[in-house]
Amino acid sequence: GDSVTQMEGPVTLSEEAFLTINCTYTATGYPSLFWYVQYPGEGLQLLLKATKADDKGSNKGFEATYRKETTSFHLEKGSVQVSDSAVYFCALTTTGANNLFFGTGTRLTVIP
Amino acid sequence: KAGVTQTPRYLIKTRGQQVTLSCSPISGHRSVSWYQQTPGQGLQFLFEYFSETQRNKGNFPGRFSGRQFSNSRSEMNVSTLELGDSALYLCASSFTGFSEDTQYFGPGTRLTVL
Repeated sequence: GDSVTQMEGPVTLSEEAFLTINCTYTATGYPSLFWYVQYPGEGLQLLLKATKADDKGSNKGFEATYRKETTSFHLEKGSVQVSDSAVYFCALTTTGANNLFFGTGTRLTVIP
Repeated sequence: KAGVTQTPRYLIKTRGQQVTLSCSPISGHRSVSWYQQTPGQGLQFLFEYFSETQRNKGNFPGRFSGRQFSNSRSEMNVSTLELGDSALYLCASSFTGFSEDTQYFGPGTRLTVL
């Protein structure tokens, strides 16, 4: 079945460090891929998305590239800030349906 | 444009009771989906409604049901509550309901079952 495997957390980084959160997927057809972020006490916010192979999604300094050959969609940011502390979820939808399959989430804490 | 709103934000119920949660999507959005978030199972899809019709359903028992009204507002009902139903219930709306469309989430309803 369709699924997302996400890097286990928690991840603790110092401010201005480089961030990578790994995400791989299993899906039939041609999935769309998403990264969502959840700040404490809030719902989910879309961070970025990519809907076809080799697309790069980017937003607020975060980037992820849809790699069909490695079935991956790793999240990266060159220099994290304290305000980036949150839980990050990788997710996919499969062709013809918009129900999101989520990874387990990775909690990121950035310390000054 | 106002975001997705969910009411109530917090609920406390006892086992065996039933509960109804409400979701108002972003204006113009016709697709509404519901998700359950728990520490143990993570985020799981419950069901999706589009133009008042349930289009897709996750793997949850029949105690979980929903509906959508002509103005796209949606309600979710859980009957005969169990302790394991304690969770954050998230509603999401999208404009087209297509797989590549962005889903916008509400803040959630925190349900506690005692």
